[in-house]
Amino acid sequence: DVKVTQSSRYLVKRTGEKVFLECVQDMDHENMFWYRQDPGLGLRLIYFSYDVKMKEKGDIPEGYSVSREKKERFSLILESASTNQTSMYLCASSPTDRDEAFFGQGTRLTVV
Amino acid sequence: AQKVTQAQTEISVVEKEDVTLDCVYETRDTTYYLFWYKQPPSGELVFLIRRNSFDEQNEISGRYSWNFQKSTSSFNFTITASQVVDSAVYFCALEEYGSARQLTFGSGTQLTVLP
Repeated sequence: DVKVTQSSRYLVKRTGEKVFLECVQDMDHENMFWYRQDPGLGLRLIYFSYDVKMKEKGDIPEGYSVSREKKERFSLILESASTNQTSMYLCASSPTDRDEAFFGQGTRLTVV
Repeated sequence: AQKVTQAQTEISVVEKEDVTLDCVYETRDTTYYLFWYKQPPSGELVFLIRRNSFDEQNEISGRYSWNFQKSTSSFNFTITASQVVDSAVYFCALEEYGSARQLTFGSGTQLTVLP
């Protein structure tokens, strides 16, 4: 079974903190994604990566950065957390373009 | 710009009823891909189906069926004889050929199946 694992299910951080969300996939997928899920807005793409050290901005990259140093790991970084970044964050991977994506269970981040 | 609309925010049905979840999309591309995902309470989205824009055949998989109509830009999802385990949030999504790897999701429909 393909497995996408996010390091934390729940996280509480203070405003201004630097926050790291980690995601690991075990199926050698080329593509990895970070989404943010908010009620009434569905999922919105923050960043994606199609190869090691490669990254592309999605629809809402402001306030976020990413890192992909190894193929299996894709990290989302909140440089200075703010309360409007309180949300559910979902990581996903896919083998190639237009393939089905496999999702992690999500990290519910609360910024206080 | 691509857009996916799921107008039904919440639907409640009683077990064994049939239910249809609507999805309407907008795109300028002639080649695109449509998806449905299910998000149970555990949070992990589960892939249900992918359909490309050149394949308008309806698909049936057990109690699930999908109706793709390019003329109305719709890709609706029907669950026949619903069960409590079908309770979840369902998302429709679109990927344009020209925007590879960028899925645009609808806002989701929360389906509750009551026993």
